[in-house]
Amino acid sequence: EAQVTQNPRYLITVTGKKLTVTCSQNMNHEYMSWYRQDPGLGLRQIYYSMNVEVTDKGDVPEGYKVSRKEKRNFPLILESPSPNQTSLYFCASSFHGLGGGETQYFGPGTRLLVL
Amino acid sequence: AQTVTQSQPEMSVQEAETVTLSCTYDTSESDYYLFWYKQPPSRQMILVIRQEAYKQQNATENRFSVNFQKAAKSFSLKISDSQLGDAAMYFCAYRSASTFGNEKLTFGTGTRLTIIP
Repeated sequence: EAQVTQNPRYLITVTGKKLTVTCSQNMNHEYMSWYRQDPGLGLRQIYYSMNVEVTDKGDVPEGYKVSRKEKRNFPLILESPSPNQTSLYFCASSFHGLGGGETQYFGPGTRLLVL
Repeated sequence: AQTVTQSQPEMSVQEAETVTLSCTYDTSESDYYLFWYKQPPSRQMILVIRQEAYKQQNATENRFSVNFQKAAKSFSLKISDSQLGDAAMYFCAYRSASTFGNEKLTFGTGTRLTIIP
């Protein structure tokens, strides 16, 4: 089954304790992206990757890191989480460059609470 | 930068009736894609319908259809014969057609749709 998976689905942590949210897709997609969803703000892009070893900042990258060592995986790293990073996080993927407009498939979301 | 506006934070409709959700966007590009995503209580993001800006014909998917007005930069979603399972948050999203850069989706703030039995 074609899908994007994220782990963990729920996470409660404390300020400053490093954490990683994993994202994996099995569709051989080149493009992957992380979004965060906050009430009244919709979804905003954090980072994106157009292929292995190619990553760049989105609209709200402060406090986050990513890596893309393999095509299928795109982990989101919070080196020193703060309460303002409490949010719902989504990973998404799609094919890249095939005329554009390719549908982005979303993972199930990770709800993060930073105390 | 592109922006997407959903001016209706909440809407409600009687079961089996028709409802229209509004979306407007701002862009200087001539070629782009527009999407409606549904987010039920499970929080999963589900694609409802998509529209290519170069197509004049409005997209339709079963009970879901759009009214795409390119000159007015308007992209409304019509849900016919509303069902209880349609209750969700609906997001309008924009994506540039450029294949050489970030393919990010720019989202509106969402409209929460309630279905009244």
